[in-house]
Amino acid sequence: KQEVTQIPAALSVPEGENLVLNCSFTDSAIYNLQWFRQDPGKGLTSLLLIQSSQREQTSGRLNASLDKSSGRSTLYIAASQPGDSATYLCAVYGNNRLAFGKGNQVVVIP
Amino acid sequence: GAVVSQHPSRVICKSGTSVKIECRSLDFQATTMFWYRQFPKQSLMLMATSNEGSKATYEQGVEKDKFLINHASLTLSTLTVTSAHPEDSSFYICSARVQGGDGYTFGSGTRLTVV
Repeated sequence: KQEVTQIPAALSVPEGENLVLNCSFTDSAIYNLQWFRQDPGKGLTSLLLIQSSQREQTSGRLNASLDKSSGRSTLYIAASQPGDSATYLCAVYGNNRLAFGKGNQVVVIP
Repeated sequence: GAVVSQHPSRVICKSGTSVKIECRSLDFQATTMFWYRQFPKQSLMLMATSNEGSKATYEQGVEKDKFLINHASLTLSTLTVTSAHPEDSSFYICSARVQGGDGYTFGSGTRLTVV
C-alpha cells in the first residue's frame, strides 16, 4: 500500500521567503505525481503535475521536482506572498489509485 | 481546462434525513468519478469509485447502503448520504480523471453538518 508523507506538517514564513515543501512516498512504481492547493473549506486546485518520466515541472513561482527512485518530490515556491497561505497536498498515482499525503499547512506572514 | 462542479457547497440537515450531493463534469465526459471524505487536518480518504452505467466500487469499511452512489450519465455522479447521523458530518469531495492522463481535477467540496 502506498504511503505518502509530507513534511513539515505546518510552517510559517515571512513574506518574501522561499518555501520548500517535501513529499515522500514508499512505492516508487508511480505513474505521476500531482501537487494541489487547498484553501480552508474548499476543494483542491491542481498546481503541478509531474509524469513519472519527468524530473521537474515549473509554473510561474512554483517548481516541483521528482526523484522517483528515492520516492521524493519537493515543491518550491519562490518569493512567498500572503496569498500563498493554504494547505498543499501531494498525491501520487499508481496501481490505479491516487494516494494523498496529509498536507503542508503554510502561513505566509505579511 | 477540465472542470468539475460540485453542489451544494454546504448543507445542514437533521439526523435521520438523507442528503444528495451532485458532481458534474462541465467540459468533458467522465466515465469514472471518485468520492472522497476529508476529516480536519487529514488527507483525503477514498470512499468509492463511481462508474457510468454500472455499480460503484466501494472501499473497505465504507457502507454502500449508507452512501449511495449513482452515475447515470457521462457528466453526472451523485452521492446520497442516507439516514444521516452526526458522525457523518464531514467534508466530501468528488474528483474525475482528466482525459489523456493529465492528472485529476476536483470539485469544490461539500461541507455536511448533521444536527
